Amino acid sequence: GQQLNQSPQSMFIQEGEDVSMNCTSSSIFNTWLWYKQDPGEGPVLLIALYKAGELTSNGRLTAQFGITRKDSFLNISASIPSDVGIYFCAGRIPDSSYKLIFGSGTRLLVRP
Amino acid sequence: SAVISQKPSRDICQRGTSLTIQCQVDSQVTMMFWYRQQPGQSLTLIATANQGSEATYESGFVIDKFPISRPNLTFSTLTVSNMSPEDSSIYLCSVEDPTGRVDEQFFGPGTRLTVL
Repeated sequence: GQQLNQSPQSMFIQEGEDVSMNCTSSSIFNTWLWYKQDPGEGPVLLIALYKAGELTSNGRLTAQFGITRKDSFLNISASIPSDVGIYFCAGRIPDSSYKLIFGSGTRLLVRP
Repeated sequence: SAVISQKPSRDICQRGTSLTIQCQVDSQVTMMFWYRQQPGQSLTLIATANQGSEATYESGFVIDKFPISRPNLTFSTLTVSNMSPEDSSIYLCSVEDPTGRVDEQFFGPGTRLTVL
């Protein structure tokens, strides 16, 4: 079945640094979503991407839908301690019944 | 975005028993989804629950183990039947965007289940 490869698995950075994470697949997706999950909480939607090449920002977050439709990245600029959490990418394949495939997650730790 | 609540938020259950998890949304939604998140893992879709029809289960999940109800457009339940320790997970419901953009899914807070 379809799989999303998300990297890196974890990151431990200094406050103020920029962060980049990405997801790749051998399958084409027609939607990419990026979520953040805090401990004990459900995932919260950060950014949704609908078109190949689309670049979308949400505050310090920027995400792009890859031209090949097989990848996406998420950048976080000037990280702060509250950015700590697990970030998941999710893609919707063109022939699914609204089904999302989730990446394995990137655990972000920020050192004050 | 929709406001989604789940009950219970957590539970500790004995092997062989069943637990029903409730998911309530503050607006009418066409599609609701149930996911499982095993400890330290990503999210795996269990089934899609549509009002007025039987749930659609993903490979590896069966109705006898995870019966689902969807009595109306704001509510759904997932039952974890005949539980074993391997069922210890976070169970999450999600809904489509109420404005109709089905590609945006919003999640409830999850139900943390521990089976002894």
